[in-house]
Formats: sequence, C-alpha cells, structure tokens
Amino acid sequence: DTAVSQTPKYLVTQMGNDKSIKCEQNLGHDTMYWYKQDSKKFLKIMFSYNNKELIINETVPNRFSPKSPDKAHLNLHINSLELGDSAVYFCASSQRGRLQETQYFGPGTRLLVL
Amino acid sequence: GQQLNQSPQSMFIQEGEDVSMNCTSSSIFNTWLWYKQEPGEGPVLLIALYKAGELTSNGRLTAQFGITRKDSFLNISASIPSDVGIYFCAGQPRNYGGSQGNLIFGKGTKLSVKP
Repeated sequence: DTAVSQTPKYLVTQMGNDKSIKCEQNLGHDTMYWYKQDSKKFLKIMFSYNNKELIINETVPNRFSPKSPDKAHLNLHINSLELGDSAVYFCASSQRGRLQETQYFGPGTRLLVL
Repeated sequence: GQQLNQSPQSMFIQEGEDVSMNCTSSSIFNTWLWYKQEPGEGPVLLIALYKAGELTSNGRLTAQFGITRKDSFLNISASIPSDVGIYFCAGQPRNYGGSQGNLIFGKGTKLSVKP
C-alpha cells in the first residue's frame, strides 16, 4: 500500500493550459503539503493544509491553488501554465504534534510546460 | 528567510568508504530529519531526530542532533553502490514563543559511489 500517492507521474502540456495534480495519503495524517523541486533539486514548500485550512502560503503565484476535499486529499490546480512552472511537484503529509513533525513524501509529478 | 547550509554539495567515493555530511543553521531547530532521494523518486525519510544530543542509527546510517540545536550530521559507513542518491537534511525551526515552524530543506548532498 502506497502511503502518499500522486497522479499523474508525468504531465506534459502547452503554455496557457490549466492542469491539476492529485494527491492522496492513507496515513491518517492531518496535514498535507505541496513542494516544488527545481532543476537544481532545491525543495521549496508551496502550501500546507491542516484540517482543511490553509496555514502556509509562501510567495507562490496565485495561478496555483490548493484544493482539499477531505483530510486525505490535497490537489494542486495550476492556471495559465508558464514555461517556468516546469519542475517536479511533490506532495507530502505529516501529523502535527506539539513540537515534532515528520513529513512523508509522494513519488512526485514531473511537469513539463512546452 | 531561514536557511540551512548543507555540505558537501557532492561527494565521489569508492565503495566501502565511510561518508559524512552535515547541516548547520543560524537558528535553533526543534527537529532534524534526513531524507534520501533517488532518481525519479520522492524523498524517503531515513532518520528523524527530536532531541538535542540525540544519536540515532538506521543500519549503516547514523545521525546526530547537535547539542546547540543548530546542526546535525549524517554518517554512512561502508558505502555500497545503492547508497547513490541525493541526501537532504531538513529542520523544523523553533519560532518565537516556542511554536513549531515550517520544515526547511538543505540544498542536498549528491553522493556517487564507485564500485
């Protein structure tokens, strides 16, 4: 059983299109995240959701919008895709504790914008 | 914003050699995590550290949470070809008031092992 799963694994699309990436976790965690990994392998957090509330929103263009239908899912919707959006997007989840937090990652979605 | 300094950036070693990498920060962290990422895959958690001074092993891997809470190291003993990958440190900073902050990642150490 996959703990954190993402679909699709690969996504190739044209500039200007709108696309969504789905993420599901079966760990019973209450917090989910989206990260972007650039060509230099640097991981940068984009969003996190805790109990259906957005609690982190870094300097990400508003073309990106996270949507969480329930605690086990956090989807990423991207409008008007640009060339610079090409990257690997990782979903992760964790169980928020008072001081400790361990995040588990999905396999990634490789997005290529042409 | 807060940053982690991870070094070295890359390592090229012979099979059987020991490996050491570390992360440092200018601020105090509550948690240190070490992940490994293989090509085409997501980061996989190797070791989690929650207390200053904590030393934890996972097979041939050993990691320590620095006493000052501002650093951590990861050692790999007797490296093998399947150790190849990018190793990331990640830390959860302690915000003002003691609350937990976002997880921050180092830039990774790329390990290459020659058989």
